[in-house]
Amino acid sequence: NAGVMQNPRHLVRRRGQEARLRCSPMKGHSHVYWYRQLPEEGLKFMVYLQKENIIDESGMPKERFSAEFPKEGPSILRIQQVVRGDSAAYFCASSPQGTLNYGYTFGSGTRLTVV
Amino acid sequence: GQQLNQSPQSMFIQEGEDVSMNCTSSSIFNTWLWYKQDPGEGPVLLIALYKAGELTSNGRLTAQFGITRKDSFLNISASIPSDVGIYFCAAAIQGAQKLVFGQGTRLTINP
Repeated sequence: NAGVMQNPRHLVRRRGQEARLRCSPMKGHSHVYWYRQLPEEGLKFMVYLQKENIIDESGMPKERFSAEFPKEGPSILRIQQVVRGDSAAYFCASSPQGTLNYGYTFGSGTRLTVV
Repeated sequence: GQQLNQSPQSMFIQEGEDVSMNCTSSSIFNTWLWYKQDPGEGPVLLIALYKAGELTSNGRLTAQFGITRKDSFLNISASIPSDVGIYFCAAAIQGAQKLVFGQGTRLTINP
């Protein structure tokens, strides 16, 4: 039973380019969460999605960031016109339903470097 | 906003020693979780706590959910080299699906 799959593991983008991060939840999980981790810090919540629905995006920056979880395919976190401050590790987690009683399972993350 | 203050920030211990770290907040939480993160990997759940006062063990790890619901601690007994890593506390309020994370405790073990 594969865990949460994130790709790519490492992504290098020049300032002004777009970054697309993909997350495939565990089989049977319909809830996806994205977190960002800056160097030497804890994880910060960004967005919580169900299939075709954004449930809570209170942690998403107002501009340049968007997320989707389509009916088919992985969840995508999209960062437009990246800046150096976007360099971080982005983690996706999934759960079988919208409750923490089952805990989160995190993927290995995508490390974004903006040069 | 809600914040978790985790201490200590780092620990340097000898193999075989016991370890204790804690997490405090000025806010009340209904769920406390402890994660371990290895370099280049995502956090892995160690222990989950859902009731105030709850004490839960997982092998050599023991964690408690503080009675005030504003704190939690994690103990590791008889540390071994594979315990090296960064330990994070995380917490959530009732009905919320998002976690607030502490800043982490970096554990280093001298052989």
